[in-house]
Amino acid sequence: AQRVTQPEKLLSVFKGAPVELKCNYSYSGSPELFWYVQYSRQRLQLLLRHISRESIKGFTADLNKGETSFHLKKPFAQEEDSAMYYCALGAAGGGNKLTFGTGTQLKVEL
Amino acid sequence: DAGITQSPRHKVTETGTPVTLRCHQTENHRYMYWYRQDPGHGLRLIHYSYGVKDTDKGEVSDGYSVSRSKTEDFLLTLESATSSQTSVYFCAISEWAGGGTDTQYFGPGTRLTVL
Repeated sequence: AQRVTQPEKLLSVFKGAPVELKCNYSYSGSPELFWYVQYSRQRLQLLLRHISRESIKGFTADLNKGETSFHLKKPFAQEEDSAMYYCALGAAGGGNKLTFGTGTQLKVEL
Repeated sequence: DAGITQSPRHKVTETGTPVTLRCHQTENHRYMYWYRQDPGHGLRLIHYSYGVKDTDKGEVSDGYSVSRSKTEDFLLTLESATSSQTSVYFCAISEWAGGGTDTQYFGPGTRLTVL
């Protein structure tokens, strides 16, 4: 069975501080990991995916298969980063479906 | 935003009544999904469709049925609504060219309250 764990419901940081949103997964096959973000009054949207290995809005995430993690990081938090972040797991050959974590609300304080 | 609309956007209904939510897309994507979003549970897949008349169950399908008679429309029906189905419902779409999991694009959501 696939499972995604986001241990923090709420993460509060000050503007300019580093941010790390944790994500651990459980899957025996070849995982595909994603981060989705939901800003206030906006739709859920893709932030980044591990296969692209790109930085979006200053965020990066590295897939660590040994630790089964896909933590989201940003060196300097901005106020506009305040949002709900969801980690999601897709399975190769899994029918194009995603399993989402419970989400972490990031609050960037001034 | 991808061309995805949901209707209604808000609905209040009573226990035991049937409810149908509609998702409409203009992207001609093959896959469509219904999720529910609840505090402490994140997004959970209810049902999904991989083509016209082709649907399958997700993680929390009990009490829900779906239909897809056209590429652009995916309907979610609560046959007899219960208070536990009070939630925000999201539709998503995805194209799939084979291989890995493709990006999903989400609709604006429907807030359903069952009294």
